[in-house]
Amino acid sequence: IAGITQAPTSQILAAGRRMTLRCTQDMRHNAMYWYRQDLGLGLRLIHYSNTAGTTGKGEVPDGYSVSRANTDDFPLTLASAVPSQTSVYFCASSPGGANTEAFFGQGTRLTVV
Amino acid sequence: QKEVEQNSGPLSVPEGAIASLNCTYSDRGSQSFFWYRQYSGKSPELIMSIYSNGDKEDGRFTAQLNKASQYVSLLIRDSQPSDSATYLCAVLEPKNSGYALNFGKGTSLLVTP
Repeated sequence: IAGITQAPTSQILAAGRRMTLRCTQDMRHNAMYWYRQDLGLGLRLIHYSNTAGTTGKGEVPDGYSVSRANTDDFPLTLASAVPSQTSVYFCASSPGGANTEAFFGQGTRLTVV
Repeated sequence: QKEVEQNSGPLSVPEGAIASLNCTYSDRGSQSFFWYRQYSGKSPELIMSIYSNGDKEDGRFTAQLNKASQYVSLLIRDSQPSDSATYLCAVLEPKNSGYALNFGKGTSLLVTP
């Protein structure tokens, strides 16, 4: 089934540890995104990639890094996790362009303790 | 950061009534607008997109756009308990050579039997 797959679905992580959230899409979409969703704050853009080989910073990029080595994969890395990074993380993809919507993965619930 | 504003709710409507969800945005140059539905613990799913002033209908859903007033709305006719969810308004914003969605914080809708 075509779509976006995120892994893991949930994780409890000790503060200070490094963690990579995985995201893979099989729709050959050019653009991919990482959002975090927190109660009362909505969905906020962390990083984005308009096409393979390029990335950009969103609204809340501090403490996170991304790479886009190919079209399908867009991993998000927390170099040294802090409790404020406890959140639900959504990966999304879009064909790109001015009138195209984004499709979301199922999310990763991350708790940093 | 350009703003997308929604009333957080909850908006409570009886079954069979019309639910009206509203959204305003700050960037007068915005051209593409989307409504997503998010059930508790799930990922956002696209309901409607709208790009031109006026109404766009899809089944029980109607999106309305007024660019002069910087206002977009979603009407749900014959509301059903299964429509109870959080509805997210999203505006497409340019990001370098591409685009990304900027989301409102969402309006919680409760349809009571």
